[in-house]
Amino acid sequence: QVQLQESGPGEVKPSETLSLTCSVSDDSMRGTFWNWLRQSQGKGLEWLGSINHRGTTNYNPSLKSRVTMSIDTSKKEFSLSLSSVTAADTAVYYCVRGSVGVLIRLQHFQYWGQGIQVTVSS
Amino acid sequence: QSVLTQPPSVSGTPGQKITISCSGDSSNIRSNSVHWYQLIAGEAPRLLIHDDDQRPSGVPDRFSGSKSGTSASLAISGLRSEDEADYYCVSWDDALSGLWVFGGGTKVTVL
Repeated sequence: QVQLQESGPGEVKPSETLSLTCSVSDDSMRGTFWNWLRQSQGKGLEWLGSINHRGTTNYNPSLKSRVTMSIDTSKKEFSLSLSSVTAADTAVYYCVRGSVGVLIRLQHFQYWGQGIQVTVSS
Repeated sequence: QSVLTQPPSVSGTPGQKITISCSGDSSNIRSNSVHWYQLIAGEAPRLLIHDDDQRPSGVPDRFSGSKSGTSASLAISGLRSEDEADYYCVSWDDALSGLWVFGGGTKVTVL
């Protein structure tokens, strides 16, 4: 069973950058996609973006200008940066490992972290 | 407004069978697989069904998925109190440069 753990600040000020890291227990980060999703209070799930072990990214078009993802396979970590945050970015953020495969559209979200609550507040 | 449409809530009594619908269009459900997740507050989300009707090991066979055209369904038979949770459908959408799209979630209540 692959385990994932999100870490980062629980509170970010408006207009600043939200930065989260996900540590994974997988022996290898190859052969799949690593994802960030979020769930806002009273709202549904939203996909922020995906990254593979080569650093190839796919971002949600609605957030593309503000999202940056990176990966460090030697540390077994991947990260999320979301710039210019507002109250609308307050949410539980999940890091998620995709299923085995190289085509993102053929994957599913197989293993999830517990999630980390991030609040945007001055 | 979610791209995929789910009923906000479904309820049933213990032992009953309930069904949750998920409606999309030709750029998502018709062209790509549908996956279902269970979310319970304080717990890591759980994959219930992947690729329309495939159940991962460890998921009880009370959970089943199906798809036809631009709609998909999750059925829960022999409803149990621990099934009370939020359920989401997900599919890849070929619009724009491609993205994952979700239903708005369905709250299942066991009466």
